[in-house]
Formats: sequence, C-alpha cells, structure tokens
Amino acid sequence: QKEVEQNSGPLSVPEGAIASLNCTYSDRGSQSFFWYRQYSGKSPELIMFIYSNGDKEDGRFTAQLNKASQYVSLLIRDSQPSDSATYLCAVIRYGNKLVFGAGTILRVKS
Amino acid sequence: DGGITQSPKYLFRKEGQNVTLSCEQNLNHDAMYWYRQDPGQGLRLIYYSQIVNDFQKGDIAEGYSVSREKKESFPLTVTSAQKNPTAFYLCASRDGNTGELFFGEGSRLTVL
Repeated sequence: QKEVEQNSGPLSVPEGAIASLNCTYSDRGSQSFFWYRQYSGKSPELIMFIYSNGDKEDGRFTAQLNKASQYVSLLIRDSQPSDSATYLCAVIRYGNKLVFGAGTILRVKS
Repeated sequence: DGGITQSPKYLFRKEGQNVTLSCEQNLNHDAMYWYRQDPGQGLRLIYYSQIVNDFQKGDIAEGYSVSREKKESFPLTVTSAQKNPTAFYLCASRDGNTGELFFGEGSRLTVL
C-alpha cells in the first residue's frame, strides 16, 4: 500500500464547476497535510495546508481533513482553465519525513 | 530575495560519470529535502536533512549521496551506481513553523 494515494486522473471539469480532488494516507500518525499545484515542467507551489479535522477555506479553495478516515480533499470552486495542472497531496509523517502522492491531473475545459 | 537556488538547471551526463547538483537556501530553514520526479509521476524522496551534519535516507536513496556541512547548502551527488538517473530533481527547504516546503526551480538531468 502506498503511503499517500491519489487518483491519477485526468479529472475533467467544465469552466465554472467545482473540482473535487481526493487523497488518502496510510499512517495514522501523520500530522500535517498539504496541497501543491504543479504546472508542467515547473516546481510545485503550495495551495493550502491543513492540520485539524474539518474544513479550511482560502478563496476558491477548500481543504477538508478527516483523520478518522485518513482522508484529505481539495475542492476548487468556480474552476478556471488556469487551474489546469497536476495537484499533489503531501503528508508529514513522524520524523519530519514529507511524502507526496503521485498527483491528480486536472483539466478545466472552457 | 529569499528562496531556494538550484544549479545547474539542465545537465547532461555520460554513463559512468558522477554529477553533483547544487542546492542553496537563504530562508534560514533547518530542514532540506531532495526529490526525484519522473514524467507523469509524483515526487519521490531521495534524502532529507533536519539539521546540519545530519541526514536520512528517503525511499530511493540507492545510487545517491548528500552532505550537509552548512545550513544553507544541501548538494546531491548522482553516482554511477544510479541505474536510471535521467529525471527532474527538486530541492526544497521546510518552514519549521508551518511545515510548508519551498521548492527550487529544479534541475533536469539527462544521461546520454
């Protein structure tokens, strides 16, 4: 079982729709959770981080964490073509080891 | 400006040669990381260091070596023992308060 799992996609949504990206992790001791966006050929950039159960909102983005289910998600409202990228879920494990999922490709069609 | 600087951006190597990728940060972060990314894949952890003069193997350390003699610097050597070294290499440092990783622009290594 991979430490951090994501559906590789591609996930295709029309412009203006809500995109829902999901991530599960295997280590119950994981403490911090991050969503990064990566455009082709570029380095990842942070979108959001979340530490506590529940929702955290920042503009068009909402991160949701459920530690009991070992599940973290990212919702993107009013999706724009510029949101088309690969979204990486990352988890900090014990010992400050930061592990990434393989990423989900998002395509927003205008 | 504060940030992570990786060099070179592009590098070509002949089989059997060692090559060293540079990573420098001026963010005063203690922890630094090296990841490898293959086309269409996520980031795989090679090595990480939480403090000067200390580092730990990640998931794919074989064929790689690192050093951490200074807080600002965390160079990665890709040795001839690495069977498939062609990849995109990313260095990062971590904010100890938020946990956020700050990435360099990456180094793209091609073995001819």
